[in-house]
Amino acid sequence: EIVLTQSPGTLSLSPGERATLSCRASQSVSSRFLAWYQQKSGQAPRLLIYGASNRAIGIPDRFSGSGSGTDFTLTISRLEPEDFAVYYCQQYDISQYIFGQGTKLEIK
Amino acid sequence: QVQLVQSGAEVKEPGASVKVSCKASGYALSSYNMNWVRQAPGQGLEWMGIIKSSAGKTEYAQKFQGRVAVTWDTSTSTVYMELSSLTSEDTAVYYCARELNDDYFFDFWGQGTLVTVSS
Repeated sequence: EIVLTQSPGTLSLSPGERATLSCRASQSVSSRFLAWYQQKSGQAPRLLIYGASNRAIGIPDRFSGSGSGTDFTLTISRLEPEDFAVYYCQQYDISQYIFGQGTKLEIK
Repeated sequence: QVQLVQSGAEVKEPGASVKVSCKASGYALSSYNMNWVRQAPGQGLEWMGIIKSSAGKTEYAQKFQGRVAVTWDTSTSTVYMELSSLTSEDTAVYYCARELNDDYFFDFWGQGTLVTVSS
């Protein structure tokens, strides 16, 4: 079974800074099956990116996704106060949907 | 607009079963599968299973095989997730999450249902 490892576990940055979040798969995965979600405290997750690099409807263009094979990245170009949350990557493999353990993005 | 409205919080004793509902509206139901994802307190997201709109076929995470059942009442556009033989480790928020057929990601989520297992 593929394992997704996100790093760092916690990222401390200030508004206006650039955030780079990593998601590494234990074996190569199709970019088509890689998604990113944002979850704020007490809320359901929200889809940000699908197919590794496609922004979901309504997602600001400061969010971007990239990567292929085993290494994927979510970049937030310029942090807004509402971006501080937990971020999860997710992929699909042989009838199973797998999430990474999450990266907490906190205000420095 | 798209809505996934889940049933309210539940408190169950160990060994019992729980059935959580998710009522869908505002979109073409036949074009979307429905998944269930849970989140234990302070933990990450864990996929449990899916019901596919095309033929009502279900698939489950290996961890929950034999203990979970997802069903769909098409007459009321409501999906149900039943989890049996509950233990304290099943205490979590349970989410339904919509997936466009064969897209393999979740574009809309219910608000979540807290299930607490305690004696």
